[in-house]
Amino acid sequence: EAQVTQNPRYLITVTGKKLTVTCSQNMNHEYMSWYRQDPGLGLRQIYYSMNVEVTDKGDVPEGYKVSRKEKRNFPLILESPSPNQTSLYFCASSHGSGSYEQYFGPGTRLTVT
Amino acid sequence: EDQVTQSPEALRLQEGESSSLNCSYTVSGLRGLFWYRQDPGKGPEFLFTLYSAGEEKEKERLKATLTKKESFLHITAPKPEDSATYLCAVRGFGNEKLTFGTGTRLTIIP
Repeated sequence: EAQVTQNPRYLITVTGKKLTVTCSQNMNHEYMSWYRQDPGLGLRQIYYSMNVEVTDKGDVPEGYKVSRKEKRNFPLILESPSPNQTSLYFCASSHGSGSYEQYFGPGTRLTVT
Repeated sequence: EDQVTQSPEALRLQEGESSSLNCSYTVSGLRGLFWYRQDPGKGPEFLFTLYSAGEEKEKERLKATLTKKESFLHITAPKPEDSATYLCAVRGFGNEKLTFGTGTRLTIIP
C-alpha cells in the first residue's frame, strides 16, 4: 500500500530535550515536506526537500532541522524544543514540486511542557 | 507571495442541501490549485488538482471549478459522511512551496 508513515504519532516531552520525528514514504517520491498545523493558522510549511541531500526552508523553519540522506526518509529534528512548538505535525511527499499533488502522513501530535 | 483565503470558515448544512465552498487566491502564475479533505486528527486527503481557468473536476458529490481568481468546491446532496474540513492550496511558478488556506469546516446534519 502506497503511504507516508510518521513516528511517533503522539509525543509529550519537556523543554530542551532533543527529539526526532521520523517520516518515510514508499512511493519513490522525490519531493518531501514537513508542515505544522495550528488552530486558526492552518498548515504552514517548515522545511522541504527536492531530492536527496537537497533541502530548503519553508515559512516557519526556526527551531527545526531536517536531513535527507535517503530518498524515502525525511526526519524532522527539534534540537531544543520549546512550548511554542507544541503542534500537530505532518509529513508529505510527491513526485515533484510543480503541479503534483502531495500525499500526507497521519500526523504527529507533539506537546512540549 | 502566494495567498489563499477560504470562506466561510464553517458551514452547517442539512443532509441533501447543496452548497459551495470558496477559495480565493493570489499567485504569480498558477502551477496548480489543490483541494484536500481533512478529518479530525488525520492527515489531509487529496481530492483534486486544477491547472487552468475554466477547468472542472468531479468526484462523487464533489465538483471543483477554477477561475483566474478563485475556486469553488460544490457539494451536491451532501451526506453526513461528507462532514470534514476542506482545504485549498496553491503553488505558483518559481515557488517550491505549497500555500494553504485555513479551511472550511463542513458539518452535514442528518
